[in-house]
Amino acid sequence: NAGVTQTPKFRVLKTGQSMTLLCAQDMNHEYMYWYRQDPGMGLRLIHYSVGEGTTAKGEVPDGYNVSRLKKQNFLLGLESAAPSQTSVYFCASSYFSLYNNEQFFGPGTRLTVL
Amino acid sequence: GENVEQHPSTLSVQEGDSAVIKCTYSDSASNYFPWYKQELGKGPQLIIDIRSNVGEKKDQRIAVTLNKTAKHFSLHITETQPEDSAVYFCAANSYLPSGGSNYKLTFGKGTLLTVNP
Repeated sequence: NAGVTQTPKFRVLKTGQSMTLLCAQDMNHEYMYWYRQDPGMGLRLIHYSVGEGTTAKGEVPDGYNVSRLKKQNFLLGLESAAPSQTSVYFCASSYFSLYNNEQFFGPGTRLTVL
Repeated sequence: GENVEQHPSTLSVQEGDSAVIKCTYSDSASNYFPWYKQELGKGPQLIIDIRSNVGEKKDQRIAVTLNKTAKHFSLHITETQPEDSAVYFCAANSYLPSGGSNYKLTFGKGTLLTVNP
């Protein structure tokens, strides 16, 4: 199993450009999440999904959109990138279970917005 | 919403010493507290977790303690080794607006642990 994969690994954008980050998981997890990690700020939840076709806002959703058309994929979109969106983005997935709550993280995407 | 505070932000120890990282949380409904380790250039990985119905859990050289009354939990690493050097995150769960048993994790800001040979 590949686990959670993210593409691309690195990207540089100019202000105002758009892009989509792709997350894929092969563990048949119901839940998927997008986080951003900034120095001294820990991991902050952007958006999440509790199942195929559903999405919801996390702590810092402004400037991002998401879609979960297939259970194994969770896409994060930036319609008009801003320098404040320079960050490392992590996708994670987990089972829907009262007893198995581990979130599995991808390797991250380092995004720089100039 | 949930607020998780983590201390210290950096910790340097000599190989073989113990390391302790502490976290506090605000939501009394939280009942799941995982710890993640993040090595350089990688995503976080779960190393140990504890639920509110136990006060302590141990796995080889790592242990976690939970004090629900005081709303704090700690990670203890004994006999530290250079490969323990990483960023460690604590987290606490809080229930999602979608209801039911759906919840999210709120993470602390992380502790950079350096183990000096």
